[in-house]
Amino acid sequence: EVQLVESGGGLVQPGGSLRLSCAASGFTVSSNYMSWVRQPPGKGLEWISIIYSGDSTYYADSVKGRFTISRDKSKNTLYLEMNSLRAEDTAVYYCARGLRMYSGSYSTYFDYWGQGTLVTVSS
Amino acid sequence: SYVLTQPPSVSVAPGQTARITCGGNNIGSKSVHWYQQKPGQAPVLVVYDDSDRPSGIPERFSGFNSGNTATLTISRVEAGDEADYYCQVWDSSSDDLVFGGGTKLTVL
Repeated sequence: EVQLVESGGGLVQPGGSLRLSCAASGFTVSSNYMSWVRQPPGKGLEWISIIYSGDSTYYADSVKGRFTISRDKSKNTLYLEMNSLRAEDTAVYYCARGLRMYSGSYSTYFDYWGQGTLVTVSS
Repeated sequence: SYVLTQPPSVSVAPGQTARITCGGNNIGSKSVHWYQQKPGQAPVLVVYDDSDRPSGIPERFSGFNSGNTATLTISRVEAGDEADYYCQVWDSSSDDLVFGGGTKLTVL
């Protein structure tokens, strides 16, 4: 059974750092596309980063240069290193497994999601 | 960057058909995916690649994509379908994954 369990969220001051983890079971993180998606309280979903099976990484403009996605093959775990945090980074952060498909053009969608971890940036 | 536009809310009576739209420039040339999210829960994929359903999703959920609009249709709506629904595409021109703003489906 595929499972994703996030951890590492909490309260952090503006300008601070935090590292989120997403422990996977039932599949191999390093062989799949993996992503982070966040949701500010009462708002919609926002994609923030993806790592391909070939280790290429992409980021939304809102976090580029501040956040880093990575994974540990031995722990089968995905990470999100967040630096220079701002109040607007406050959100529930979800990790998700991506599936790549081609149907005239390439696309990626998410078939499994974790339960999310809340990050609050406040003084 | 690519923008997806959804109506903030849709209301429908039980047993009727709900249609949730997702607008985008020439969205018909992209593959559209749809997620359902109930309060306090993670999103769940209900339609991928415009019209395909993952295992376990009822046939009542269907999708269509053409021109500048993609549509998620929920037939014979039930109280348990009340949720937020999000469309999503991959914008290959900018290597960005984009979500629509979400539509709250209310079952009257």
